[in-house]
Amino acid sequence: GENVEQHPSTLSVQEGDSAVIKCTYSDSASNYFPWYKQELGKRPQLIIDIRSNVGEKKDQRIAVTLNKTAKHFSLHITETQPEDSAVYFCAASKSFQKLVFGTGTRLLVSP
Amino acid sequence: KAGVTQTPRYLIKTRGQQVTLSCSPISGHRSVSWYQQTPGQGLQFLFEYFSETQRNKGNFPGRFSGRQFSNSRSEMNVSTLELGDSALYLCASSFGTQVGYGYTFGSGTRLTVV
Repeated sequence: GENVEQHPSTLSVQEGDSAVIKCTYSDSASNYFPWYKQELGKRPQLIIDIRSNVGEKKDQRIAVTLNKTAKHFSLHITETQPEDSAVYFCAASKSFQKLVFGTGTRLLVSP
Repeated sequence: KAGVTQTPRYLIKTRGQQVTLSCSPISGHRSVSWYQQTPGQGLQFLFEYFSETQRNKGNFPGRFSGRQFSNSRSEMNVSTLELGDSALYLCASSFGTQVGYGYTFGSGTRLTVV
C-alpha cells in the first residue's frame, strides 16, 4: 500500500530563517498532497495543498513543491516566526480515497 | 459556522470494555473519515463514510467499526479494548465526494485504556 516518509523528524531554526520539510511517497498514482499543522493539544489544520498537475504553489510565507518523477514533495516556510512552532504532517492521496500521512516533523522556531 | 464536533473529549476505559465515539461534521459535509493518532504511528486511517456507506477501510482489526447516520453524524466503536488502543481519535469531514480534499478535523477524543 501507499507509504509516506517524512524528514526530518525534528527541526530547530532561528526566527527569520527558512525551514524545509521533505516527504517521499511510494505510489506513483498519488495525485493530491496536503500539508497539515498541528499545534500542541489542537486539531490538525490544513495549511496548503497541491495537486499532481501543479509543480509549485505558494501562499504568503508558505510554499509546496512537487517532483512527480522523484515522488517527493516539500514544504518551505520562509521568515519563520515563533508561532510557526508546531508539528507538521504531509500526506498523500490516490484518487481521493484516503489520506496517508507522514510521521510528522516537529518544528521549533527560537526567538 | 460550527466546526467538526467530537464527543466525548476524554475517555478512560478498562481493558476488555467497549467504547463508542461520536463525530458531528460541518453542516453540509457528507464525508466523514476517522483516524487514529499515536506518538509512534502518527495518523492512521480507520475508515470513511459517505451517505451512510463505508467506502474505504484501513488496516485495523474488526474490533474497530463505524457507522454514519442520515444526518451525516458518525460513530465509531471499539470492542474488547486493548492497552494499545490508547490514542487520540480524530474525525475529519469534507464537503464533496473527494476523500481528504479540504478536510476539517475535529479536536479529537483522547482514549486511555487501563
